[in-house]
Amino acid sequence: SAVISQKPSRDICQRGTSLTIQCQVDSQVTMMFWYRQQPGQSLTLIATANQGSEATYESGFVIDKFPISRPNLTFSTLTVSNMSPEDSSIYLCSVEAVPRGADTQYFGPGTRLTVL
Amino acid sequence: SQQGEEDPQALSIQEGENATMNCSYKTSINNLQWYRQNSGRGLVHLILIRSNEREKHSGRLRVTLDTSKKSSSLLITASRAADTASYFCATAGRGDKLIFGTGTRLQVFP
Repeated sequence: SAVISQKPSRDICQRGTSLTIQCQVDSQVTMMFWYRQQPGQSLTLIATANQGSEATYESGFVIDKFPISRPNLTFSTLTVSNMSPEDSSIYLCSVEAVPRGADTQYFGPGTRLTVL
Repeated sequence: SQQGEEDPQALSIQEGENATMNCSYKTSINNLQWYRQNSGRGLVHLILIRSNEREKHSGRLRVTLDTSKKSSSLLITASRAADTASYFCATAGRGDKLIFGTGTRLQVFP
């Protein structure tokens, strides 16, 4: 299993500002994932972040709005840029289970973002 | 990508009763997984069933998979108040991406 922490756990932000969310894993993993969960909804994958390469974004999500960094095998950041109230969501990072092939993912506790 | 559908959206039962949740999906899969989420926090993996399996058990959990109907069910037996949570199915096709269903909110009353 993997232990994942996220910072901040929650934040309240003003419209037009940006917030960077950190995701730290206690072991080295190749693939990390960022999800958005809008209020009362399911999880939607934003992007997949592999160390050493550009993140791969899902349809409807763009790098200018959600830039991602993946500087090493245990850390990633997601920035929510130029926020609007529609960005109010829980943002979760996850990692592939180790060893690879287990096909499951471990999730962080989430970052609850409210945009005023 | 399209999400799977889960039903019911919400389920309320008494402790000791069984809870059944259903998941339908649209595309071919390698496996289907069930996750649990407490109060908008992180998800916890419960069980995985592969496309060539029909039924799987883990403690009080029983999962079935019918690939011909593109559907799965999660049964929680002898439910407890601590089982109160949202439950999501997630399908995995080729690659590592998971596509999550719409979720079932389960409330278990003591």
